[in-house]
Amino acid sequence: QVQLVESGGGVVQPGRSLRLSCTAYGFTFSNYGMHWVRQAPGKGLEWVALIWYDGSRKYYGDSVKGRFTISRDDSKNTLYLQMNTLRAEDTAIYYCAGSYYDYYEYWGQGTLVTVSS
Amino acid sequence: EIVLTQSPGTLSLSPGESATLSCRASQSVSSAYLAWYRQIPGQAPRLLIYGASSRAADIPDRFSGSGSGTDFTLTISRLEPEDFAVYYCQQYGTSPYNFGQGTKLEIK
Repeated sequence: QVQLVESGGGVVQPGRSLRLSCTAYGFTFSNYGMHWVRQAPGKGLEWVALIWYDGSRKYYGDSVKGRFTISRDDSKNTLYLQMNTLRAEDTAIYYCAGSYYDYYEYWGQGTLVTVSS
Repeated sequence: EIVLTQSPGTLSLSPGESATLSCRASQSVSSAYLAWYRQIPGQAPRLLIYGASSRAADIPDRFSGSGSGTDFTLTISRLEPEDFAVYYCQQYGTSPYNFGQGTKLEIK
């Protein structure tokens, strides 16, 4: 059964860092491009970052560029999002999503990040 | 950057009716790279349509997608209770892989 399980969310103060993880089950993780998508409370979906299936390319949304870093460890079937210099506007549910042909076939259930003093 | 604008913002219909949702792009999107997702409150989004008109696995034929260039449409026939949710279009051909702002389909 295909599953993506996010972890690492929580409450963090502005300016601090947090690392999210997303572990994949039930499909060949190393064949899939992986994305992070976030959703602020009561708002729509915002694409955050993409890492290619082989890790050779990474892309970021303008709102997180220079602060967030996406990475993957295929030996652990795990995707990461290192979030630095967090801001209140980064408060959101963070979803990981898997894509073989670029559209998002698989989604995790999300992990909530709250940036607040 | 391709900006996607969805309309209407909210659509009020009754079960059994048909829904037509629109997604307009600020510049041409290759039809190979336009997707639709449904998000039920409290759940993650789910892929409905990819490549503008291809149904994802296990999606019933009540859902159909069409369009090309800058104008795309999602049509849902014979609305069922689980269809009352928020729908997002997304272009996944060019970074940033933007989503539309969503259309909320609510029960009339």
